[in-house]
Amino acid sequence: DAGITQSPRYKITETGRQVTLMCHQTWSHSYMFWYRQDLGHGLRLIYYSAAADITDKGEVPDGYVVSRSKTENFPLTLESATRSQTSVYFCASSVFGSGSYNEQFFGPGTRLTVL
Amino acid sequence: TQLLEQSPQFLSIQEGENLTVYCNSSSVFSSLQWYRQEPGEGPVLLVTVVTGGEVKKLKRLTFQFGDARKDSSLHITAAQPGDTGLYLCAGNFYSGAGSYQLTFGKGTKLSVIP
Repeated sequence: DAGITQSPRYKITETGRQVTLMCHQTWSHSYMFWYRQDLGHGLRLIYYSAAADITDKGEVPDGYVVSRSKTENFPLTLESATRSQTSVYFCASSVFGSGSYNEQFFGPGTRLTVL
Repeated sequence: TQLLEQSPQFLSIQEGENLTVYCNSSSVFSSLQWYRQEPGEGPVLLVTVVTGGEVKKLKRLTFQFGDARKDSSLHITAAQPGDTGLYLCAGNFYSGAGSYQLTFGKGTKLSVIP
């Protein structure tokens, strides 16, 4: 079934470890986004990508790395996890063009706990 | 930085009551979206408003975009328990290099009591 999927759905790791969160979409949307959602802060943009091999920073990029070698995949890597990166992470995709206004379609989220 | 302030943060009402959620900013947005999020799931788009003063209706939900495209409201008539959830507004703005971003309000957590 078409859509946007994230894996894993839950992850517990330790401080200092590298963690990669996966995101896959089947719509061939050009734009993809990574957000984190925290109580008191709402959804904040980490990184986004306009197309394969084109990425840019969002509001809170420090400590994160992204890549996009294929249109359908947009992995997010925490190079050395910290407790402050404990959060729920959402991937989203959107299509731009005539009649489109950056309407975003979200994945189910990954709940990450850093001990 | 584009900021969106959403109010109220929490709202608990009885089934059948009406309610309004507000989304305000000092920034102008090219469009504004409303999302609804259930626990354990990602946000789901409800509506996009584009033109200043625009009003859109989705069954018992009425969305309005301010004339200056800086604010928006969501009005629910005769709320039902199924309306329970987190409502998020998001402003779409040009971030440069041909790209647009969304900035989200912190959300309104609505509970409708049967």
